[in-house]
Amino acid sequence: AQKITQTQPGMFVQEKEAVTLDCTYDTSDQSYGLFWYKQPSSGEMIFLIYQGSYDEQNATEGRYSLNFQKARKSTNLVISASQLGDSAMYFCAMREVQGGKLIFGQGTELSVKP
Amino acid sequence: KAGVTQTPRYLIKTRGQQVTLSCSPISGHRSVSWYQQTPGQGLQFLFEYFSETQRNKGNFPGRFSGRQFSNSRSEMNVSTLELGDSALYLCASSLVVAFETQYFGPGTRLLVL
Repeated sequence: AQKITQTQPGMFVQEKEAVTLDCTYDTSDQSYGLFWYKQPSSGEMIFLIYQGSYDEQNATEGRYSLNFQKARKSTNLVISASQLGDSAMYFCAMREVQGGKLIFGQGTELSVKP
Repeated sequence: KAGVTQTPRYLIKTRGQQVTLSCSPISGHRSVSWYQQTPGQGLQFLFEYFSETQRNKGNFPGRFSGRQFSNSRSEMNVSTLELGDSALYLCASSLVVAFETQYFGPGTRLLVL
């Protein structure tokens, strides 16, 4: 069965510094999609970045980038130049080939200090 | 383009009542999924609809049901509410299924007393 593991319940980072949020996954599928979402205290899940299992290059979206290591089944999110508005819960998720449901990790709460 | 909208945003019900939540997907999106988020269980998949057909269902009791209309709008219903049904219910839409990115609405916070 597919599983997503985020081992960092909470993290602190200084404003303007970079931070890496860890995510490992387990699946027997060869084709899958990996996603990161941000959830502020308001509750809405905001899509950040996507990595396909066959993508050869690490995905990048503005200040967000992924360190995708397929052999190790990890997809770590790197946020560069942290801002106060980055304080939120961050969820790693995987989407199955069949059925399309997202499987989420437990999340990492990021706090950015001024 | 407008995002995913959910109504109502907040809801208070008592045990035994039933509730209906509504979700309007992004224009052009035909797949709608529902998730329940609680502090204890995290984010759990409820069901997914595509072109008015339920494509996948999570491990929830039959009290949880849903449907999708021809305009892709979706509703979920919870009957005989229990205290444990208190949660944030999130709706997400995507163009199709498989690896398309799911975009989420603001959620409906349900409190069962």
